Amino acid sequence: DAGITQSPRHKVTETGTPVTLRCHQTENHRYMYWYRQDPGHGLRLIHYSYGVKDTDKGEVSDGYSVSRSKTEDFLLTLESATSSQTSVYFCAISESRDGYTFGSGTRLTVV
Amino acid sequence: RKEVEQDPGPFNVPEGATVAFNCTYSNSASQSFFWYRQDCRKEPKLLMSVYSSGNEDGRFTAQLNRASQYISLLIRDSKLSDSATYLCVDARGNGGYQKVTFGTGTKLQVIP
Repeated sequence: DAGITQSPRHKVTETGTPVTLRCHQTENHRYMYWYRQDPGHGLRLIHYSYGVKDTDKGEVSDGYSVSRSKTEDFLLTLESATSSQTSVYFCAISESRDGYTFGSGTRLTVV
Repeated sequence: RKEVEQDPGPFNVPEGATVAFNCTYSNSASQSFFWYRQDCRKEPKLLMSVYSSGNEDGRFTAQLNRASQYISLLIRDSKLSDSATYLCVDARGNGGYQKVTFGTGTKLQVIP
């Protein structure tokens, strides 16, 4: 399997607190993505990166920020967590047009 | 209308049966198509790409119909281990980045 890991795997946090999720890859892929998956909505793109310090917004970026200071790491920050951000978050990587490889996901609960 | 639409199912089929799923896409500019498999509480995994000429990998066959804007996945001789949700994906764009849209998935349950 491709080398992509997410941390933490599970997190419970309180409303209003900042939360950072980490995605780490060992494949040296150029593109990295953060998705959230919710029942009835499927996978929705939050932010993506096309290189170190190069990021752009996806379709559901409000309330989220990202940073990519190294090729291998892509961080997703919830600036002030809300209950609507309770979800499963997946990181993905790609290099070509041959599809994505996903991390195992982070289950985030905001209480 | 959703960009990528799938019948959510569930499709309940007996072991050994043949089952087919369709997925429609709304953007005629879509260039690449994929099927992903997602097991319960797991990450999606790429099952196969869908080429204009079709694609076959063992018991799995994927077809693309550009005229009617749909892709299909056929699974022959279903196994219990095929039970999962199958996600349809389309992608479009130039250069390295593609805009990728995931369907919400079709659930398959293979019954002994």
